[in-house]
Amino acid sequence: AQSVTQLGSHVSVSEGALVLLRCNYSSSVPPYLFWYVQYPNQGLQLLLKYTSAATLVKGINGFEAEFKKSETSFHLTKPSAHMSDAAEYFCAVTRSYNTDKLIFGTGTRLQVFP
Amino acid sequence: DAGVIQSPRHEVTEMGQEVTLRCKPISGHDYLFWYRQTMMRGLELLIYFNNNVPIDDSGMPEDRFSAKMPNASFSTLKIQPSEPRDSAVYFCASSVLRDQPQHFGDGTRLSIL
Repeated sequence: AQSVTQLGSHVSVSEGALVLLRCNYSSSVPPYLFWYVQYPNQGLQLLLKYTSAATLVKGINGFEAEFKKSETSFHLTKPSAHMSDAAEYFCAVTRSYNTDKLIFGTGTRLQVFP
Repeated sequence: DAGVIQSPRHEVTEMGQEVTLRCKPISGHDYLFWYRQTMMRGLELLIYFNNNVPIDDSGMPEDRFSAKMPNASFSTLKIQPSEPRDSAVYFCASSVLRDQPQHFGDGTRLSIL
């Protein structure tokens, strides 16, 4: 079975500071991993995905995530936060073969202060 | 290209009433997913379809919930009778393949009084 754990339901950073959102996964088979972002009153949008190619994945809006098998992690980072990054972020996992439904984490709400 | 379209965006109704939520997936997407999002339970997958056929409905909470996909461009999620605990935001998503990223609609905010 697959699962993801997002550490920290709320993260606050100052504008210009590093953003680090944590995601650890559990999977009995090689996983595919995703980060989605949700802005208020909107659906989820894909930020980036890992599908067993490069371990460092670059996404939209300057975000990137690194797949670390030894740590079963897929943390999301951005070097410099912008006010427009304030949103809720979801990590999700699925199997890389016999792919089943996406399993989402509980989400991390990012606040950015001026 | 149009994204996933959901209607209505907001629905307020009294308990006991029938509620129908609608979704138009992106053209060419063979997979359609229905999710429910609440503060308490987060994002839950209710059911998903492949080529209009329901594949996994294990997330459907009760028999009061039903979903159909009569053709490739339309799906409904129905709640009958509705209860206050059904209040949530319901999202529809579609994808080209099962392991490809899902594209979400903007959701239907449902309030049952």
